[in-house]
Amino acid sequence: QKEVEQNSGPLSVPEGAIASLNCTYSDRVSQSFFWYRQYSGKSPELIMSIYSNGDKEDGRFTAQLNKASQYVSLLIRDSQPSDSATYLCAGTGANNLFFGTGTRLTVIP
Amino acid sequence: KAGVTQTPRYLIKTRGQQVTLSCSPISGHRSVSWYQQTPGQGLQFLFEYFSETQRNKGNFPGRFSGRQFSNSRSEMNVSTLELGDSALYLCASGDYAADTQYFGPGTRLTVL
Repeated sequence: QKEVEQNSGPLSVPEGAIASLNCTYSDRVSQSFFWYRQYSGKSPELIMSIYSNGDKEDGRFTAQLNKASQYVSLLIRDSQPSDSATYLCAGTGANNLFFGTGTRLTVIP
Repeated sequence: KAGVTQTPRYLIKTRGQQVTLSCSPISGHRSVSWYQQTPGQGLQFLFEYFSETQRNKGNFPGRFSGRQFSNSRSEMNVSTLELGDSALYLCASGDYAADTQYFGPGTRLTVL
């Protein structure tokens, strides 16, 4: 099993809808979790970090972490066309940062 | 604070050549990690340096090497380039590897 796994998608949602991105992780990943957004041709940009069980909200973004089930998710409310990008989930463990392969999100106007 | 900078932004090389990429981390950051990103393989970890020491290494051949200087700037070198080395090479810096990483703009390497 890879350390961090994501549904590769692609995921399409209409403008204004909620986009839900999911990620699972292995026992090697146990500490901090991050969501990065990457526009085509650009480098990843950190949008959320979460360290403890529960929800963390930042504007239209909510990260959810469930350590018992080993999953982390990102909800994007009121999705906008500008949210169209690849979203990378990452988690730390063993003094390393592991990335998922990313989920491509398209928000349809 | 200035962000992570990488030079050059674009490179075109031919098979068999070697290349050196440079990365300047955010001021105060001592950890520098390098990643290779391709459409097929996604983001793959190359290695991480902390205070001039390589602490972690990904699963890449020995043609890929790196180093870090006392000012935390880092270089990575790829020798005997192959067509499959064409990729976006990303550098990221942080206080330490197992924490928030901030990415530079990347170096787009094309091997012909």
